[in-house]
Amino acid sequence: EADIYQTPRYLVIGTGKKITLECSQTMGHDKMYWYQQDPGMELHLIHYSYGVNSTEKGDLSSESTVSRIRTEHFPLTLESARPSHTSQYLCASSTGNEQFFGPGTRLTVL
Amino acid sequence: KNQVEQSPQSLIILEGKNCTLQCNYTVSPFSNLRWYKQDTGRGPVSLTIMTFSENTKSNGRYTATLDADTKQSSLHITASQLSDSASYICVVSDRGSTLGRLYFGRGTQLTVWP
Repeated sequence: EADIYQTPRYLVIGTGKKITLECSQTMGHDKMYWYQQDPGMELHLIHYSYGVNSTEKGDLSSESTVSRIRTEHFPLTLESARPSHTSQYLCASSTGNEQFFGPGTRLTVL
Repeated sequence: KNQVEQSPQSLIILEGKNCTLQCNYTVSPFSNLRWYKQDTGRGPVSLTIMTFSENTKSNGRYTATLDADTKQSSLHITASQLSDSASYICVVSDRGSTLGRLYFGRGTQLTVWP
């Protein structure tokens, strides 16, 4: 089983709040990813990183930002949450062909 | 446009029965195809991965096939169990970028009834 962790697992917050979703992996993987997934829909890549101090936007436009100060951490931040941000956020890491996914954070913005 | 289409969208079977899930893709240039199992509220977990030269891969009761010529793949589940209830996602990777771009299907939601 992959050693990739996400916290919190569930989060319900009010509109306008700033939130940070944590993702950490203990496998030493250089590449890390954030995906957004709505029920019954495919995963959409919103951010990725090749390594420390490297971050890029994915295919799906997102108001969130990410940082990669350490290899093992790849947090995602929403400065001002809105109901449209309600979704499941999945973090993943890889060294090559295989991507390992975390358990996800289910975010609900009221 | 690179796409991955899965069918059926949902499927209900009785425990102990077999089933086959389908995946068609248009991703090019093709690198590999994976099948993931995603339990409700969890992240996807890899079941199989196949490259261009492989046409079948097994993982316990899961057997995946790949026809790179017709760009089709299937996932066959034998002797289904209640724990097989999950979404099964087909993911295709291209080899046209250093990122190893992944294209996700929407998944087939499988429900196994006792």
